[in-house]
Amino acid sequence: DSGVTQTPKHLITATGQRVTLRCSPRSGDLSVYWYQQSLDQGLQFLIHYYNGEERAKGNILERFSAQQFPDLHSELNLSSLELGDSALYFCASSGGQEVGEKLFFGSGTQLSVL
Amino acid sequence: AQKITQTQPGMFVQEKEAVTLDCTYDTSDQSYGLFWYKQPSSGEMIFLIYQGSYDEQNATEGRYSLNFQKARKSANLVISASQLGDSAMYFCAMRVNSGNTPLVFGKGTRLSVIA
Repeated sequence: DSGVTQTPKHLITATGQRVTLRCSPRSGDLSVYWYQQSLDQGLQFLIHYYNGEERAKGNILERFSAQQFPDLHSELNLSSLELGDSALYFCASSGGQEVGEKLFFGSGTQLSVL
Repeated sequence: AQKITQTQPGMFVQEKEAVTLDCTYDTSDQSYGLFWYKQPSSGEMIFLIYQGSYDEQNATEGRYSLNFQKARKSANLVISASQLGDSAMYFCAMRVNSGNTPLVFGKGTRLSVIA
């Protein structure tokens, strides 16, 4: 158990809908990262928050947004969903931002857009 | 920008044998970290081993070791005495020490251990 909690584990929805994925980092970790894993794109970095502030953005679509709350949990909002958004979405946390900080991953949310 | 290349989409190894999973990287930064993660069929990402660019010794963690060749920009993972439970996807990843850079992953190698 990595200590990172992601809910829900599975999500099935229709095109055009909006969903929210939730992540609780390990106790004491200030950094939260979101990744998208699909068969064709592999693991793609979406966004990084550190202690409530956005620190880096990757290949995140404008239809996607995220935030980190004062209690350090994070939410990833996906709107106007398309079939191609079906993927496994990971949240990961780390204590800091040093180059050697390893990321602890949650078990992921499997999103299926029908 | 940093890039990770894993050229072996799939590998087979006999149980109890050693196996090497290849990883090459590209960066112009001098300070960086290299990571290996395992993803079993259950889906979670499990950290295996880390090597810093300034570390002189190759990293080892139990049956895992990292064959770090800086001049060749390679960071191969060696798994000794393979077990059936080692069957999984293995990802090489890198982070450079330039600003708020994320962990960048390779495409992965699927390892199958045969009894």
